[in-house]
Amino acid sequence: GDSVTQMEGPVTLSEEAFLTINCTYTATGYPSLFWYVQYPGEGLQLLLKATKADDKGSNKGFEATYRKETTSFHLEKGSVQVSDSAVYFCALFKTGANNLFFGTGTRLTVIP
Amino acid sequence: GAGVSQSPSNKVTEKGKDVELRCDPISGHTALYWYRQSLGQGLEFLIYFQGNSAPDKSGLPSDRFSAERTGGSVSTLTIQRTQQEDSAVYLCASSLRDSWTETQYFGPGTRLLVL
Repeated sequence: GDSVTQMEGPVTLSEEAFLTINCTYTATGYPSLFWYVQYPGEGLQLLLKATKADDKGSNKGFEATYRKETTSFHLEKGSVQVSDSAVYFCALFKTGANNLFFGTGTRLTVIP
Repeated sequence: GAGVSQSPSNKVTEKGKDVELRCDPISGHTALYWYRQSLGQGLEFLIYFQGNSAPDKSGLPSDRFSAERTGGSVSTLTIQRTQQEDSAVYLCASSLRDSWTETQYFGPGTRLLVL
């Protein structure tokens, strides 16, 4: 079945460090891929998305490239800030499906 | 404009009681979803509504769970005879469902604690 596997957390980084959160997926066909973020005390927010192979989603300095050959959608940011501390969820959606499939989430803490 | 809203934000109940959770989707969104986020786990799909079509209930964990959507807008998730394992954050999302990219917008969630 369809699934998303995310890098286990928690991840703790110093401010201005480089961030990578790994995400791989299993799905038939050509799913759309998403990163959602959940800041402390808030609901899930869409961070970025990519809808086809080799697409790069980007937002707020975060990037992720849809790699069909490695079935991956790793999240990266060149220089994290304290305000990036949150839980990050990778997700996929297949055409014709009725729900997003989420990874288990990765908690990021950025220390000054 | 207004986002997805949910109420109550927190609910504490005793085992065996029934609870109702409410979701107001973004105006004009035809698709509505309920998910559950349990401690230490990812988001688990519960149920999906699209317009006037029959809902997809495939994610409901037991017959104690039910949901309805009145007038294609507001939805209520009901849990009967609550159990301690029902404790979780219940999230509602809505989308336009007008394209295959499927961006869902989430509410802040209802945190349910069953004692």
